[in-house]
Amino acid sequence: EVQVVESGGNLVQPGGSLKLSCAASGFTFSGSAMHWVRQASGKGLEWVGRIKSKANSFATAYAASVKGRFTISRDDSKNTAYLQMNSLKTEDTAVYYCTRLGDNGDYRFDYWGQGTLVTVSS
Amino acid sequence: DIQMTQSPSSLSASVGDRVTITCQASHAISNYLNWYQQKPGKAPKLLIYGASNLETGVPSRFSGSGSGTRFTFTIRTLQPEDIATYYCQQYDDLPLTFGGGTKVEI
Repeated sequence: EVQVVESGGNLVQPGGSLKLSCAASGFTFSGSAMHWVRQASGKGLEWVGRIKSKANSFATAYAASVKGRFTISRDDSKNTAYLQMNSLKTEDTAVYYCTRLGDNGDYRFDYWGQGTLVTVSS
Repeated sequence: DIQMTQSPSSLSASVGDRVTITCQASHAISNYLNWYQQKPGKAPKLLIYGASNLETGVPSRFSGSGSGTRFTFTIRTLQPEDIATYYCQQYDDLPLTFGGGTKVEI
């Protein structure tokens, strides 16, 4: 059974930092690109960034809104991906989802976690 | 960035109705388009990938079509459990982008 579980969400002050974790099981994590997608309350889905597999040099990419502040990493020995968030702003308040980009010739987010809430507020 | 414009933003239909949602891309994206369903408080769920391919386990009343810049998502006969918000998403280029969503109500 596939499981994707995010953790680490919390209340943090503007300018602060937070690190989210995404623990996965039930699929070949090491061969998968992992992405983060966020959703502010009552709003739509926003892609945050991704990290590719070791075979693809752990390449990362980020949305312009978080570039330079957020860093995605992974530890394949723990089947876990991370989202390090620095210099947080109130507009970063959202539920953060971790998701796998499945690839059988078509790229699609096939496995999702339940999300973890990050609230940036003083 | 590729902008994805979904319409309508919301709709109300009756059980058994045919429901159609459109998604327009600002640039041609071939068939690199997915559709997701999201129920309140839940993570999105993949329904359609590659514009027209039904994800395993998804009921056949859901379908997708289109290529280039214009795409259509259809629920053939609306069921009560289909009440949700539906999103399109392109994977032709980074940043990956989603449509604004279509909230389907009964």
